[in-house]
Amino acid sequence: EPEVTQTPSHQVTQMGQEVILRCVPISNHLYFYWYRQILGQKVEFLVSFYNNEISEKSEIFDDQFSVERPDGSNFTLKIRSTKLEDSAMYFCASSGQIQETQYFGPGTRLLVL
Amino acid sequence: AQSVAQPEDQVNVAEGNPLTVKCTYSVSGNPYLFWYVQYPNRGLQFLLKYITGDNLVKGSYGFEAEFNKSQTSFHLKKPSALVSDSALYFCAVRSSGGYNKLIFGAGTRLAVHP
Repeated sequence: EPEVTQTPSHQVTQMGQEVILRCVPISNHLYFYWYRQILGQKVEFLVSFYNNEISEKSEIFDDQFSVERPDGSNFTLKIRSTKLEDSAMYFCASSGQIQETQYFGPGTRLLVL
Repeated sequence: AQSVAQPEDQVNVAEGNPLTVKCTYSVSGNPYLFWYVQYPNRGLQFLLKYITGDNLVKGSYGFEAEFNKSQTSFHLKKPSALVSDSALYFCAVRSSGGYNKLIFGAGTRLAVHP
C-alpha cells in the first residue's frame, strides 16, 4: 500500500539555523500539506500546495517558512531561522483530489535548542 | 469559525466492552468529517470519513462512526474494544467550501484495559 514518507525522523538544531524537512507524497497525489503538532497540543494546519503553488496557509506559516516541490517526488518544508517555539512534530500529508482523504506521513520531530 | 471539540481527554474501557469516543463540530456548509488514530511515535492513520450518504460510516479495524447533523456530532464507536486499540484518536473536519485544510480536535486518548 502506498505511503507518505518523511525524512529525517528526528532533527535537532540550534536556534537561528535553517532546517529542511522532506516528504515524499503518494506518487499519484496532487495535493500536498504540512501540519504540525506541538507536544501535548492539537495538530495544526500550516500550508497546502497544489500545482506548484501555495493554495492556502495559516497564520503560523509566516515568512520564515517556505515550501517547495523541487522535483516530481519530493515536497519540502523549509524553516529559515528556527525559533524555540518551532519545536514540534511536523507531518506531511497528500491527497489525490481536493475532496479526498489526506494520508499522513510518520512525521519529523524537530527540536530547536 | 470552524472548530472541532473532543470533550474527553481520556476514555477508559475494558477489553471486550463497547467504546465511544466523542466528537462535535462547528462548520459552515456541509461538513466533511474524519477520524484518525495515532499510535506512539507514529503518524496519523486514517480510520474513516463522512462525506455524504448514510449517517453510519464503517472504517478500518472494526471502527464505525455516526454522523448526527442535528447534534453536530460524529462519535467514533466500536462494539468490542481490543487492548491494541489503545491510542490517541483525532476527529477532524474539512469545510466543503473551497480549501482542503483539516481542523483537528485536541485528541482523545483511548486506554483499553485487559
